[in-house]
Amino acid sequence: AQKVTQAQTEISVVEKEDVTLDCVYETRDTTYYLFWYKQPPSGELVFLIRRNSFDEQNEISGRYSWNFQKSTSSFNFTITASQVVDSAVYFCALNSGSARQLTFGSGTQLTVLP
Amino acid sequence: SAVISQKPSRDICQRGTSLTIQCQVDSQVTMMFWYRQQPGQSLTLIATANQGSEATYESGFVIDKFPISRPNLTFSTLTVSNMSPEDSSIYLCSVDAPPGRGSGNTIYFGEGSWLTVV
Repeated sequence: AQKVTQAQTEISVVEKEDVTLDCVYETRDTTYYLFWYKQPPSGELVFLIRRNSFDEQNEISGRYSWNFQKSTSSFNFTITASQVVDSAVYFCALNSGSARQLTFGSGTQLTVLP
Repeated sequence: SAVISQKPSRDICQRGTSLTIQCQVDSQVTMMFWYRQQPGQSLTLIATANQGSEATYESGFVIDKFPISRPNLTFSTLTVSNMSPEDSSIYLCSVDAPPGRGSGNTIYFGEGSWLTVV
C-alpha cells in the first residue's frame, strides 16, 4: 500500500522568511516517483517537481529546493525568501510500481503574510 | 507540459440532475485520470480512463454514479449523475506527460471543474 503524510496542516510565515514543507511517504516498491504540486485559490494544480527513487540528488530551482532522503522516506520542500504569491495549498504525491495514478498527501496550507 | 482544458470551469447544479465534465488534451495520451477534491480535502482518484476499454474505478466509486467516456486519445468526459450536495467538489482531469512533452511519469492536471450542488 502507498501512503503520503503531510503532518503540517497549516503554516503561516511572514514575507521573506524561509519555510519548509514536510512530506513522508510509504511504499513497498523500489521504483517510484515523488511529486510536489501547488494549488492556489483558483483551484488548478501546478506541477512543481518530479523525483524518481534512484535519484537522491537534491534540486534547486530559483527560490525552491527539495531534499529527498530515502533513509527517512522524506521529500521535503523549502521555499527561500517567501513571497505573498507563494500562499497556496501544497501537495506531495507518490506514484509507484506499475500504477500511473497518484497518491496524495493531505496538503499543507501555506500563508505568507506581507 | 501538456495543455489540458476542462469544461465547465464552474457550475451550480440542482440536486438530482447530472452534469458532464469534458477534458481535452492538446496531445495524444495513453492514460487519463479523474480525481475528486471535496472542500478542504485532498485529491482522491475516481477512475482511470483508457481509450478503447472501460474505465477502471477505484474503491468507493461506481460506473452508474460516475460514467466515463474515452472516445479517443485526446478527450474524455466524466458525468456526475443524480447529484447531491455531497458531490460538491472540484473534479480534476489529469494525464501522463505525452511523449516528448516533459519528463516521463510526470502527471499534469487540468484547471479543475468546481461543482456546487444545491
